[in-house]
Amino acid sequence: NAGVTQTPKFRVLKTGQSMTLLCAQDMNHEYMYWYRQDPGMGLRLIHYSVGEGTTAKGEVPDGYNVSRLKKQNFLLGLESAAPSQTSVYFCASAETETSTDTQYFGPGTRLTVL
Amino acid sequence: GQNIDQPTEMTATEGAIVQINCTYQTSGFNGLFWYQQHAGEAPTFLSYNVLDGLEEKGRFSSFLSRSKGYSYLLLKELQMKDSASYLCAVMESNYQLIWGAGTKLIIKP
Repeated sequence: NAGVTQTPKFRVLKTGQSMTLLCAQDMNHEYMYWYRQDPGMGLRLIHYSVGEGTTAKGEVPDGYNVSRLKKQNFLLGLESAAPSQTSVYFCASAETETSTDTQYFGPGTRLTVL
Repeated sequence: GQNIDQPTEMTATEGAIVQINCTYQTSGFNGLFWYQQHAGEAPTFLSYNVLDGLEEKGRFSSFLSRSKGYSYLLLKELQMKDSASYLCAVMESNYQLIWGAGTKLIIKP
C-alpha cells in the first residue's frame, strides 16, 4: 500500500501559468481533501470530494478548481497562478466523513509562484 | 467565529514531560484531533477525543474538556524524535476540520 501520493513534489511557476496537482490513494477511500499550509497558519481546506464525480468548496476555494473523475484520484488545478498561491499543498483521504475516521495525508507539494 | 489557539513554540528536555495546550471556539463539535508533523513531512494522526477525559496511548495522552473548549496533549519520556510540530484540529458539525497553527516542540539533550 502506497497510501496517499502526490505529484509533483516541488514546482516553480511564473505568475499567470497554470498547473495541475495530482493526488492518488490506494485505500479505496470515499473522501478526499485538498489543503494548503502557510507559515503561522493552520491547514486550510481548499476543496473536498465525498465520492467519485463529486466536489465541494472548502474554506479558501478561490483561484482553484478540482476534479474527481476516478475514485482514487483527486486533481487540483490552478488556472492562472498568483504569488499568493505560494504554499505547501497537502492532499488527504478518509474512509468516511465521520469523526471516527482519521484523515491520511500525502507528502505534500511545495509550490512557488514568482 | 472559529478559532483554535495553541502556543507557537515550546522547548523541553529529553526524558522530561511536556504538555501542549489547545483552546478552541468552533461552530459545533464532533471531536478533537492531535496530529504530529515533522519538518518537511505530512501530518500523521496521534489521537482523537470526543468525550471529556483522558485518552492514553503509550507515551502520549490527550485530554478534553468540552465545557471549557480545552484540550492538551501530554508527551512523556521525551525522545529527540519527538521534535516536531503538533497540530490541534476540531471537527465541526459539518464534519470539516478546523486546524490550529501548530506548536513547534524543540527537544534538547
